[in-house]
Amino acid sequence: GEDVEQSLFLSVREGDSSVINCTYTDSSSTYLYWYKQEPGAGLQLLTYIFSNMDMKQDQRLTVLLNKKDKHLSLRIADTQTGDSAIYFCAEISTSGTYKYIFGTGTRLKVLA
Amino acid sequence: GAVVSQHPSWVICKSGTSVKIECRSLDFQATTMFWYRQFPKQSLMLMATSNEGSKATYEQGVEKDKFLINHASLTLSTLTVTSAHPEDSSFYICSAKEREGWNTGELFFGEGSRLTVL
Repeated sequence: GEDVEQSLFLSVREGDSSVINCTYTDSSSTYLYWYKQEPGAGLQLLTYIFSNMDMKQDQRLTVLLNKKDKHLSLRIADTQTGDSAIYFCAEISTSGTYKYIFGTGTRLKVLA
Repeated sequence: GAVVSQHPSWVICKSGTSVKIECRSLDFQATTMFWYRQFPKQSLMLMATSNEGSKATYEQGVEKDKFLINHASLTLSTLTVTSAHPEDSSFYICSAKEREGWNTGELFFGEGSRLTVL
């Protein structure tokens, strides 16, 4: 089946780096995404990476993609309390109709 | 960026009543909208794909007569939970993709609607 797995919980101290990991299943996914969800709100796209890239950096965010292992990670540098949220990785399933497959979500808690 | 608005953001209803949730794309046209359900501390579960001018495509296990979806225009999709029961209590989120091409595949999400059925 289509499963996108993430660790459930991560706690870091303010100012440290956070690394959130994700493993996906569809090797033909063209794009992979990271979304952020704050409490009681919808999802906000943080960044995405094209499948032919290994790395993408966007300010404090660094995305690493290992296609061989189907592993995606999101590194947040200088983590702030405002980064506390749930982070979802997602891939587009290309089997049948195009649809998003979301990961299980990682709850990031930043300690002051 | 593109904005998707959901209404209401929070609704409480009695068991047996029906509730309608609206999802609007405010500054773009959306031929396709997606409805998700999210249980506490869980991921998003795709319920159905809503296509403008045609019937929605429901995911396996989702009752189409229970969750009525209408996508009457390029900017509005509605989800009606019919004869709601306490087990329908959940956080419902819609998302939309822009009409013009898939591009990077970004979806724009509404703020979510929390339904509580008493």
